Amino acid sequence: AQSVTQLGSHVSVSEGALVLLRCNYSSSVPPYLFWYVQYPNQGLQLLLKYTSAATLVKGINGFEAEFKKSETSFHLTKPSAHMSDAAEYFCAVVKDSNYQLIWGAGTKLIIKP
Amino acid sequence: GAGVSQSPSNKVTEKGKDVELRCDPISGHTALYWYRQSLGQGLEFLIYFQGNSAPDKSGLPSDRFSAERTGGSVSTLTIQRTQQEDSAVYLCASSLGQGSTGELFFGEGSRLTVL
Repeated sequence: AQSVTQLGSHVSVSEGALVLLRCNYSSSVPPYLFWYVQYPNQGLQLLLKYTSAATLVKGINGFEAEFKKSETSFHLTKPSAHMSDAAEYFCAVVKDSNYQLIWGAGTKLIIKP
Repeated sequence: GAGVSQSPSNKVTEKGKDVELRCDPISGHTALYWYRQSLGQGLEFLIYFQGNSAPDKSGLPSDRFSAERTGGSVSTLTIQRTQQEDSAVYLCASSLGQGSTGELFFGEGSRLTVL
């Protein structure tokens, strides 16, 4: 069965430091992969998506993610964290059978001043 | 409208009462989703509509939960005889077509508190 695993329910980084949020997936076919962000008291919004084009995907707010088939990973990175990046981040993969999204449990990003 | 609109934004109710949560998707979006997000938890899929029909109701947690969509637009999620464990944020999302090869657009959610 397909699944998405996000390592770390909470990740804390200092302002200006590298952000790395991990996502591993399982899928029997080349997947569509997504990262969404949820700011406090808001709905989710799309950060970026991978749809079998370039393996390095650039998103909004300086985030990017690299699709690595050999590692079944789609980790999210940002070179320099800002206080405004504090939010919860969700990784998702499209389900083969019915095109629904399978969601990871989410990672809360905490930015230390 | 410009985005997905949900109402009410906050609802406090007593155990045993019925509640209705409304979602107004982006105009022209045929697919509509309901999710539940409990404190500290990820997204729990509830139901998916394509037009007015619901091909996937697999996530509804009990027969106290029901949803409908009319005119291919507005959807209502109804919870009967609410229980304390129903307390959560209920998120609605819409997309242009079937499935999620495209982007989901989310509303800001309806926060339900059952006392």
